[in-house]
Amino acid sequence: EVQLVESGGGLVQPGRSLKLSCAASGFTFSNYYMAWVRQAPTKGLEWVASITNSGGSTYYRDSVKGRFTISRDNAKSTLYLQMDSLRSEDTATYYCTRGFAYWGQGTLVTVSS
Amino acid sequence: DIQMTQSPASLSASLGETISIECRASEDIYSNLAWYQQKSGKSPQLLIYAANRLQDGVPSRFSGSGSGTQYSLKISGMQPEDEGDYFCLQGSKFPLTFGSGTKLEIK
Repeated sequence: EVQLVESGGGLVQPGRSLKLSCAASGFTFSNYYMAWVRQAPTKGLEWVASITNSGGSTYYRDSVKGRFTISRDNAKSTLYLQMDSLRSEDTATYYCTRGFAYWGQGTLVTVSS
Repeated sequence: DIQMTQSPASLSASLGETISIECRASEDIYSNLAWYQQKSGKSPQLLIYAANRLQDGVPSRFSGSGSGTQYSLKISGMQPEDEGDYFCLQGSKFPLTFGSGTKLEIK
């Protein structure tokens, strides 16, 4: 059974950093593209970043480019999202997804002073 | 960026009723279109991919159609468990973009 479990969310002040993790199990992690999608409270879904199966290529939405870094450790079957210079508009539940077919339960990031 | 215009924003349907939700892309997305259901407090669940392919385990009352810039999701015979929010996602070009969502309720 495919399982994706996010962690690392929490309350953080504007301008600070946070690193999210997504532990994957139930499939061969190194075979799949992965991505992060976020959802602000009571809002719609927003793609954040994607990474190829090898980690050799990454893609970001413009509003996070230069501030967020997606990465993966295939030996640990774990996906990461390093979030720097956080802004209030980054407040959202962050979902890890395998190819947009399987999704984790999400982790809430709140950026507030 | 490809804009996904989803309609209607909300919909109320009776049990057994057939409903449709539409997504229009601002340019051709070559059937790179998926549909999701999201229930309150839960993560999205994939219903349809590649515009018309039913995800394993999804009831056959869900179907997708369309091509080019126009796509639709149909539920043939509304059931109580179909209440929720529905989103489309275009996977043709970065940045990937979602529709704004449709809230589906039982009348």
